[in-house]
Amino acid sequence: EPEVTQTPSHQVTQMGQEVILRCVPISNHLYFYWYRQILGQKVEFLVSFYNNEISEKSEIFDDQFSVERPDGSNFTLKIRSTKLEDSAMYFCASSQEQGPTEAFFGQGTRLTVV
Amino acid sequence: GDSVTQMEGPVTLSEEAFLTINCTYTATGYPSLFWYVQYPGEGLQLLLKATKADDKGSNKGFEATYRKETTSFHLEKGSVQVSDSAVYFCALRGMNTGFQKLVFGTGTRLLVSP
Repeated sequence: EPEVTQTPSHQVTQMGQEVILRCVPISNHLYFYWYRQILGQKVEFLVSFYNNEISEKSEIFDDQFSVERPDGSNFTLKIRSTKLEDSAMYFCASSQEQGPTEAFFGQGTRLTVV
Repeated sequence: GDSVTQMEGPVTLSEEAFLTINCTYTATGYPSLFWYVQYPGEGLQLLLKATKADDKGSNKGFEATYRKETTSFHLEKGSVQVSDSAVYFCALRGMNTGFQKLVFGTGTRLLVSP
């Protein structure tokens, strides 16, 4: 069964450093998403991406964040200068189409900022 | 804005007990409703969904009915197994967001003992 793959599973970084979280969505999917879950809190939407551009973003997704689909298969989330409060589980997801359809999620990357 | 409220966990049950995890939502119009499950060390997996009022989603013995009048989508299972131990997330995808993003509840951890 096709799946969304995220790497790494766990990343530890120092405050102020840049991190790139990587995702390989399902190959025939067109819509891509990043979500995050701070420990003990809700899973929160960060950004959606379609046709090589951001289609929606939340207020969490400020100038420190960026997304890219550099090569047609990978989908990355970059945090330019990490803060302690960026520590969270980050989930990538993809879906074949917009609307009330299933989004497939990766297993998540746990980011720890120290 | 749209929101989802789930009962807090953990929910601790013995094998073969009846399970209910409550979920209520706030949204305008007619959102689509989902239950996702996260097994230890894995990503979020769609468990079931319902896209219109009075629809019943079902999968693996789990059921949830979309109740517009009570704005609820409670998850039930008649007889839980140890293998059902996981975190369960209620979510909606609403018209306000153009059906792009999912809005999640905080998740409810289920622990089933033999």
